[in-house]
Amino acid sequence: SAVISQKPSRDICQRGTSLTIQCQVDSQVTMMFWYRQQPGQSLTLIATANQGSEATYESGFVIDKFPISRPNLTFSTLTVSNMSPEDSSIYLCSVAQGMLAKNIQYFGAGTRLSVL
Amino acid sequence: DAKTTQPTSMDCAEGRAANLPCNHSTISGNEYVYWYRQIHSQGPQYIIHGLKNNETNEMASLIITEDRKSSTLILPHATLRDTAVYYCIVRVDMYNNNDMRFGAGTRLTVKP
Repeated sequence: SAVISQKPSRDICQRGTSLTIQCQVDSQVTMMFWYRQQPGQSLTLIATANQGSEATYESGFVIDKFPISRPNLTFSTLTVSNMSPEDSSIYLCSVAQGMLAKNIQYFGAGTRLSVL
Repeated sequence: DAKTTQPTSMDCAEGRAANLPCNHSTISGNEYVYWYRQIHSQGPQYIIHGLKNNETNEMASLIITEDRKSSTLILPHATLRDTAVYYCIVRVDMYNNNDMRFGAGTRLTVKP
């Protein structure tokens, strides 16, 4: 299994500002993902963070709003830009060791974001 | 990926077996069945997965019907710490298709 550390664990931000969330893994992983979980809802995939190339975004999510970096095989960041109260959610980092569906995916504890 | 259907909520008595069903009637031959759970204020936790055979690990057992159209996650001796939302996910075993897509899940409440 992989141990995933997310920072910050929670934050309260003002409308119009940006927040960068960090995800650090204790081992090199092939795949890293970012999810959003809105209050009372299930998880929704935002994007796949690709090492050495641009992230792959899901429908409804754009790079200008959620820029992602993945400088190496153990670290990624997600920025929530120009925040509004609708961005109040839990943001989760996830990793998988391999490229195949049979590979288990592991999750961090999440970053709880409140936008005022 | 095949769609799954789970009950919205279930209760279970502490110490008894918790049996959580999942329907995936449109599952295809190369799709795995995964189970995750999310305890309040934590990230999802992997429990178990399987293709066609029943599987058991230290956390749970996974029973998949012969036609693979449904499955049951069994927690043999539920404790209060097993109270969580349980997600059944079906996913095609393809290269570069290993992100998990979560449905609404089943909220399991274990009662003393």
